[in-house]
Amino acid sequence: SQTIHQWPATLVQPVGSPLSLECTVEGTSNPNLYWYRQAAGRGLQLLFYSVGIGQISSEVPQNLSASRPQDRQFILSSKKLLLSDSGFYLCAWSAWGTAYQPQHFGDGTRLSIL
Amino acid sequence: SQKIEQNSEALNIQEGKTATLTCNYTNYSPAYLQWYRQDPGRGPVFLLLIRENEKEKRKERLKVTFDTTLKQSLFHITASQPADSATYLCALGGYNQGGKLIFGQGTELSVKP
Repeated sequence: SQTIHQWPATLVQPVGSPLSLECTVEGTSNPNLYWYRQAAGRGLQLLFYSVGIGQISSEVPQNLSASRPQDRQFILSSKKLLLSDSGFYLCAWSAWGTAYQPQHFGDGTRLSIL
Repeated sequence: SQKIEQNSEALNIQEGKTATLTCNYTNYSPAYLQWYRQDPGRGPVFLLLIRENEKEKRKERLKVTFDTTLKQSLFHITASQPADSATYLCALGGYNQGGKLIFGQGTELSVKP
């Protein structure tokens, strides 16, 4: 069966520090991968989307970047965190090749910027 | 721009009753719509998918309707239980979007015993 892992579960970082959040998927090949941010009481905002290794689409301009160095690994990064980067970050995957597929989410990283 | 609106207020119902959650959208013609459940501090979990040419979908105590004329989906939980308490998110998917979804802000459901 397929599983998705995200870490860390919680993170407290000072303003101006770098960030690296990692997400890995097991049990499937060539998945579509997604990074979302969720503000309190709000829906999910799609940040980045990837259909393959090295292929990243940025959905909103921001202080963050994403990379996909391996088929089932998706990394969210920042060189210098801002206070506005605080939030709940979720990674998700869906099966490649067709639109009519559910997304499967990790349990997220709660990021607090001080 | 595309807009999705779910019940803005939290929904409180009595155990055993039917919960009905609403998802309305504008400026969009989705190919399909999905519903997810999210518990506090957890990622969303997929529940149901309904395509634009389907009027209704059922899964156990869950029922989803999709009216593309009204641009609305209704999500029903029959014989609700306290364990159904969670936030429910609707999400729209479009043609040629490669699986990308647009999510609503969610409706918090509380089922009281």
